[in-house]
Amino acid sequence: EAQVTQNPRYLITVTGKKLTVTCSQNMNHEYMSWYRQDPGLGLRQIYYSMNVEVTDKGDVPEGYKVSRKEKRNFPLILESPSPNQTSLYFCASSSLAAGDNEQFFGPGTRLTVL
Amino acid sequence: GENVEQHPSTLSVQEGDSAVIKCTYSDSASNYFPWYKQELGKRPQLIIDIRSNVGEKKDQRIAVTLNKTAKHFSLHITETQPEDSAVYFCAASIIDAGANNLFFGTGTRLTVIP
Repeated sequence: EAQVTQNPRYLITVTGKKLTVTCSQNMNHEYMSWYRQDPGLGLRQIYYSMNVEVTDKGDVPEGYKVSRKEKRNFPLILESPSPNQTSLYFCASSSLAAGDNEQFFGPGTRLTVL
Repeated sequence: GENVEQHPSTLSVQEGDSAVIKCTYSDSASNYFPWYKQELGKRPQLIIDIRSNVGEKKDQRIAVTLNKTAKHFSLHITETQPEDSAVYFCAASIIDAGANNLFFGTGTRLTVIP
């Protein structure tokens, strides 16, 4: 089954404790992206990647890191989480082939930083 | 960067009536406009999209119209049903730029009253 998976689905942590949210896709997509969703603000892009070892900042990258060492995986790293990073996070992937632009979203990770 | 505005933020309709959600975008280079539906606690899922070389696209009860000159696009849902109740997001993207970065509106919560 073609899918994007994220882990964990729920996480409660404390300020300053490093964490990683994993994202994996099995569709051989070149493009992967992380979004955060906050009430009234929609989805905002954090980081994206167009292929292995190619990553770039989105609209709200401060406080986050990513890596793309393998095509299927795109982890989101919070080195020192703060309460303002409490949010719902979505990973997404898509092909970059012409005419094949649908982004597929993972199930989401609800993060609470105390 | 791209700025997408979406209205209304909430919309209630009687079952069987039509619903219209409107979005405007700022970057005239944007050429791909998807609409996502997000049910409570679920991931966003693509319901319809339109490219800038087309003015209208229809899929059963759902249609999207695009006015490139005015830089706005709209989602039309006819014969609404209770299962159409969800949050709907519009987005804009430049799909020929080597990436697939989506810029989202802030969402419309649609409630269909039985």
